[in-house]
Amino acid sequence: NAGVMQNPRHLVRRRGQEARLRCSPMKGHSHVYWYRQLPEEGLKFMVYLQKENIIDESGMPKERFSAEFPKEGPSILRIQQVVRGDSAAYFCASSPPSNEKLFFGSGTQLSVL
Amino acid sequence: GQQLNQSPQSMFIQEGEDVSMNCTSSSIFNTWLWYKQDPGEGPVLLIALYKAGELTSNGRLTAQFGITRKDSFLNISASIPSDVGIYFCAGHASGNTPLVFGKGTRLSVIA
Repeated sequence: NAGVMQNPRHLVRRRGQEARLRCSPMKGHSHVYWYRQLPEEGLKFMVYLQKENIIDESGMPKERFSAEFPKEGPSILRIQQVVRGDSAAYFCASSPPSNEKLFFGSGTQLSVL
Repeated sequence: GQQLNQSPQSMFIQEGEDVSMNCTSSSIFNTWLWYKQDPGEGPVLLIALYKAGELTSNGRLTAQFGITRKDSFLNISASIPSDVGIYFCAGHASGNTPLVFGKGTRLSVIA
């Protein structure tokens, strides 16, 4: 039973480019969460999605960031016109409908040059 | 929003020693979770707590859900080198709120 799969593991972008981060939840999990982690910090909640629905996006920056979890395929976190401050590790987690235990992927390290 | 305060921020211990770390919040939490993160990896769930007063073990790890529902602690007994990493507490204030994380306790074990 594969865990949460994230790709790419490392992503390098120049300022102004777009970054797309992908996440496939664990089998049987219908809830996906995205978190951001800066060095020496804890994980900050960004967005919570179920299939085709955004449930809670209270942690998402108002501009340039968007997330989706389509009926088919992985969840995508999209960052448009990246800036240096977007450099961070982005983690995806999934949970079963009970929503209590989150299981995390290995993350995508985004570096903006 | 809810905040979790973890302490200590870091600790250096000798192999074989016991370790204790804790997490407090200003508001009530319904669920407490403890995770461990290794460098370059995502957090791995260690223990989940669901009821006030609950004491749960996982091997050499023991965690408790505080009676006030505003705190939790994690103990590691007889530490070994592979215990090195960052330990995060996390909690749900309710079933519909996002999982909130503390800033972590960085553990170093000296062989």
